[in-house]
Amino acid sequence: DQQVKQNSPSLSVQEGRISILNCDYTNSMFDYFLWYKKYPAEGPTFLISISSIKDKNEDGRFTVFLNKSAKHLSLHIVPSQPGDSAVYFCAASAERGGADGLTFGKGTHLIIQP
Amino acid sequence: DADVTQTPRNRITKTGKRIMLECSQTKGHDRMYWYRQDPGLGLRLIYYSFDVKDINKGEISDGYSVSRQAQAKFSLSLESAIPNQTALYFCATSDPASGAYEQYFGPGTRLTVT
Repeated sequence: DQQVKQNSPSLSVQEGRISILNCDYTNSMFDYFLWYKKYPAEGPTFLISISSIKDKNEDGRFTVFLNKSAKHLSLHIVPSQPGDSAVYFCAASAERGGADGLTFGKGTHLIIQP
Repeated sequence: DADVTQTPRNRITKTGKRIMLECSQTKGHDRMYWYRQDPGLGLRLIYYSFDVKDINKGEISDGYSVSRQAQAKFSLSLESAIPNQTALYFCATSDPASGAYEQYFGPGTRLTVT
């Protein structure tokens, strides 16, 4: 049973517009959430994170929103740029700050069209 | 130079062979992890280590073993490779004691078992 779900395998967005990637989770013990970006032939790269005590975290063009009651988080990219084309993974950790490893979603392939 | 390196980057082996994947890091992190990624799936945790003397099984440890030779080195072994172990393998490190829970990934090893 998947504990972290990314229901959109792919998403196509025009350059300059907003990209919104969604993630749902089922495990109430998750208290820290992360987004990773992955290019082909490379390892995942950390993008942004949020603790369960917050509902929003912003870093430049990237903002993550957390809705604990709905067990839902989203990543907003504004404005979208061609270099943002990649696979984005949502990940979560339970207590102990991820010491026991991260639980990943299946990923969403974001395609930024010129 | 990359902070987390993996060798080899690509490997083709035959069913029944023993194979070792190696990971080295220069980040000085105590925690190290091995994940595998299958096509269309997220990363799944195989093993993780808090330090040289502390090794723990992850979600999918069957068929794998690990060795933490030093703080900077964490190896993954397939004692008798089978075709369904064909996957991308990633090593990662983290340093929760610093207050940051993100994990830093190596570039991956593409393993094919024929």
